[in-house]
Amino acid sequence: SQQGEEDPQALSIQEGENATMNCSYKTSINNLQWYRQNSGRGLVHLILIRSNEREKHSGRLRVTLDTSKKSSSLLITASRAADTASYFCAIPSSNTGKLIFGQGTTLQVKP
Amino acid sequence: DAGVIQSPRHEVTEMGQEVTLRCKPISGHDYLFWYRQTMMRGLELLIYFNNNVPIDDSGMPEDRFSAKMPNASFSTLKIQPSEPRDSAVYFCASSSASGYTFGSGTRLTVV
Repeated sequence: SQQGEEDPQALSIQEGENATMNCSYKTSINNLQWYRQNSGRGLVHLILIRSNEREKHSGRLRVTLDTSKKSSSLLITASRAADTASYFCAIPSSNTGKLIFGQGTTLQVKP
Repeated sequence: DAGVIQSPRHEVTEMGQEVTLRCKPISGHDYLFWYRQTMMRGLELLIYFNNNVPIDDSGMPEDRFSAKMPNASFSTLKIQPSEPRDSAVYFCASSSASGYTFGSGTRLTVV
């Protein structure tokens, strides 16, 4: 299966702490994407990391990719209550355009 | 650009009724995806189109589900007849080489 699997399923932290979510997958990839979904809302694209990249930053977000271990991590630094959401990793099929999502990590940031 | 537009935002219908969900993708995006999200199964890809042509409908759960894309700016997902187990949030997404954009979803409740 090309589906990514996130770990942990749920994470609860205090505001100001860092949050780390992991994603593992089984097949070779061209890129891996992270999305955020606030409760009752659609998914928002956060960051895309290509298979030849090891790390990427966007504001307080840091994504790493280890293709040898077939894993990626999303780090949110100095978390805020507004970061409370579900976070998904997604992998596009190598020979089609479709995007397959993992089950997600639910992050709660307590004020 | 207004993003991917889905309608209606909420739909409550009685079992056995026909339901039609609508999506307007971002202009210039050549892929369109329909996803369904439930607590039990997470995000499932139902069907996707490339240049208005259905490419993979293997995720469509039953013959009660059908999707069309008559032109580049419009797609529908129809359920006929609807059943309570179809209750979910249905997302439409469109993509191009620059990335994926999701709509806000249609929350369907079949009673």
